[in-house]
Amino acid sequence: DTAVSQTPKYLVTQMGNDKSIKCEQNLGHDTMYWYKQDSKKFLKIMFSYNNKELIINETVPNRFSPKSPDKAHLNLHINSLELGDSAVYFCASSQETSYSPLHFGNGTRLTVT
Amino acid sequence: GQQVMQIPQYQHVQEGEDFTTYCNSSTTLSNIQWYKQRPGGHPVFLIQLVKSGEVKKQKRLTFQFGEAKKNSSLHITATQTTDVGTYFCAEMTDSWGKLQFGAGTQVVVTP
Repeated sequence: DTAVSQTPKYLVTQMGNDKSIKCEQNLGHDTMYWYKQDSKKFLKIMFSYNNKELIINETVPNRFSPKSPDKAHLNLHINSLELGDSAVYFCASSQETSYSPLHFGNGTRLTVT
Repeated sequence: GQQVMQIPQYQHVQEGEDFTTYCNSSTTLSNIQWYKQRPGGHPVFLIQLVKSGEVKKQKRLTFQFGEAKKNSSLHITATQTTDVGTYFCAEMTDSWGKLQFGAGTQVVVTP
């Protein structure tokens, strides 16, 4: 009965590879997000989708491409991975109302070697 | 965009003591949300403050929104080892849910 689930939990890969992270929520929320948490624990929004439509696209390299096949799923594909991409990536979701709190997934720890 | 500033960055607390962490902004905040992230875990929503001067309590946690809506605080009384983690304040800057997080206060509790 997990609310927001991400896979994989850990991802170790070499520079230059392409990888994907999957996210699913069963809360019936309309909005989903990708956040990146760096080694200093700073959380920064990357993307937001509302009903499969891209709403927020922060200054993120175009090697990162989100995809939302339906409003319960939001995946993140990363091309040509770089060392600086190492971080914890969190998926989150919220209801489509003003100031709704975010429900975060457990995170995917990406390590690029 | 603007970012909320959190102080202190680190807080070492003896079990049983009280402490406060602060969230400040140079401009008026529309709202403040507080999240807690346990070590190795994910951020979990604690509370939201919207009104000027608002005070909300959750057991040993007291959250306050400043009268001018430029600062917020989280006060924890009688700290327990379960309070260990990083506490983030965040402002939702648009109606689509864009949360701007502060840098967090990392709390370590000594038994």
